Amino acid sequence: KAGVTQTPRYLIKTRGQQVTLSCSPISGHRSVSWYQQTPGQGLQFLFEYFSETQRNKGNFPGRFSGRQFSNSRSEMNVSTLELGDSALYLCASSLGTSGEKLFFGSGTQLSVL
Amino acid sequence: DQQVKQNSPSLSVQEGRISILNCDYTNSMFDYFLWYKKYPAEGPTFLISISSIKDKNEDGRFTVFLNKSAKHLSLHIVPSQPGDSAVYFCAARQDTGRRALTFGSGTRLQVQP
Repeated sequence: KAGVTQTPRYLIKTRGQQVTLSCSPISGHRSVSWYQQTPGQGLQFLFEYFSETQRNKGNFPGRFSGRQFSNSRSEMNVSTLELGDSALYLCASSLGTSGEKLFFGSGTQLSVL
Repeated sequence: DQQVKQNSPSLSVQEGRISILNCDYTNSMFDYFLWYKKYPAEGPTFLISISSIKDKNEDGRFTVFLNKSAKHLSLHIVPSQPGDSAVYFCAARQDTGRRALTFGSGTRLQVQP
């Protein structure tokens, strides 16, 4: 069974640009969550989608958005990039609703210059 | 406001000895706790979990202890092996409202051969 796949693996952008990250969950998993990891801050919750609906949202500005497609694949978008957005963005999938055991992808390392 | 805290950023132990990783939480609504392990360039992987109705859960070399009155949990690894060297994240889920996992900032464990 294939794991959670995130693309691209690395990304370099400049301030003011926008970026879209992609996540394909484990087959059969309907929930996809996104987390931001920065040094010393651990994993900060961005949002969670289940059956194409946003179920939960973390405390991030509106520049961060996401969506989920009917095949459970998910994308997250960050507009008007800032230097502080440089981080590892992790996607995780689970079978059902929030708080279940998560299966993480390897992440997308975003660098904003 | 960090609801899940891992106050030790790093820990070094000798191979064969016990590793004890600690985690404190402030939200009394948390009812389920998990530990994840993360190697460089990989996403976190689930290690072990515990429900708030228990005070101990064991899986091979890994044991998690929960002290609800102190809002404290710990992960014991016995015996520690060099392959255990990784960053360990504590996570918690609350039983109502937003049920997404809340993660601590992580503890880097280094097991010396």
